[in-house]
Order: sequence, then structure tokens, then C-alpha cells
Amino acid sequence: QVQLVQSGTEVKKPGSSVKVSCTISRDNFRAYSVSWVRQAPGQGLEWMGGIIPIFGSPDYAPKFQGRVTITVDTATTTATTTTGYMELSSLRLEDTALYYCAVDRGDGYSSWFRFDFWGQGTLVSVSS
Amino acid sequence: EIVLTQSPGTLSLSPGERATLSCRASQSVSNNHLAWYQQKPGQAPSLLVYGASSRATGVPNRFSGSGSGTDFTLTITRLEPEDFAVYYCQQYGSSPRSFGQGTKLDIK
Repeated sequence: QVQLVQSGTEVKKPGSSVKVSCTISRDNFRAYSVSWVRQAPGQGLEWMGGIIPIFGSPDYAPKFQGRVTITVDTATTTATTTTGYMELSSLRLEDTALYYCAVDRGDGYSSWFRFDFWGQGTLVSVSS
Repeated sequence: EIVLTQSPGTLSLSPGERATLSCRASQSVSNNHLAWYQQKPGQAPSLLVYGASSRATGVPNRFSGSGSGTDFTLTITRLEPEDFAVYYCQQYGSSPRSFGQGTKLDIK
């Protein structure tokens, strides 16, 4: 069983930063990936980037490179719980969106960056 | 970067009919790492198919995926009222991972 619980709604000013958390609870340890996907109002899904916690090196979509930082808190990680973060800087009005964290089933390479489980989404609203 | 193009943009059908959704990639999808998701209003997407043709856990067998390389299809036989939603394809075989723009399946 896998559960993802994200932090709450954020209201930000243009030019500021936002950091969203995602607590991942799994019933066993597996080599899985954690990704962040956003969805602007009435729009489609957009992959921002992801990380495989056991390796630690994030992979970012070119559009967000330099503005997004995806991390996992290894200091508090246990056998069954991990907290991931997505920080987006230099916020613009068009960054207003629902931000999801998503993880795969943990089958290794064959499932990395596929999204078997999703968080409930965090609304980030950017307004002056 | 792989661009996924879904067609049609909107598909209007009646319950009981068959739906065929297309996803075309700008270059070959590595290892056929192609997934399909369903998203209903106000909900997070949910995984339907992975590896181009494997159904995710708990997905009804009226959903099936097919294709390889650059051309993929999601077929829904005998549409149920709960199937009317937006469907996205996604490739996860190479970076950057990418989604298609979505196909809205609505009731005729």
C-alpha cells in the first residue's frame, strides 16, 4: 500500500519561492522514483522533474531547469516513510497551478518515472 | 525531447460504444515505456495502462493498450458512464518525461 500526502495551499507573490512537501508512506522498501507534475487551471499535465531517492540525483525538465529544486529528506527517511520536496523560485503569474507528487510501483528501471500513485495535489496561487 | 500528440482532442460517444484514442510520438519511445492515465474532474490522474499494453492493478478489462515505437492506442470497449473523462498518454522511457495534451471523452 502506498500513500502520498502533500502540504496545503500556498498563496505567493511574483518573484518569490514556494516549497511543497510530499510525505510518502510505503509498506515496503523499493527502488522507486518521485516526480512532480503540475496542472494549470483547465490545462493538461506537465512533468517538472523527478528523483530516485536511493540515487539522489534529480532530473529536471528543460523548461524548469534553474528554477526548480527537487529533493528528498534522507535524514528522516525510514524503511517505510520518505518526505520529498519541490521548490520553485522566481514565481510568475503563470505558475499558478495544482502541483502533484507521484511515485511509481517500485519495479526498478522498468517503472521509474511512471506514475502509479499520486498525491492529492497542492494548489499554488501566484498573485500580485 | 519526445513530443506526444494525442488525437482526437475531443471524442463524443454514447455509453456502450467503443472508444479508440491515439497517441503518436515524435520519436520512438524507449522500451515502449508508454502509459495511459484517466483524469476525472477534481481528481488526480490514475494509471490505466503501462508498458504500452499492461493494465494497472484494478483496471477493468474493457481498457486495453496497444502499439509500439511511435504509435500507441488506448481502446475502451463498451463505454460505461464512469469512463467519460480526460485521458493522457505519457512516455517515461527517456528524459525529459512528457505527456500528450489529452483527449476528452464526453457523452454524446
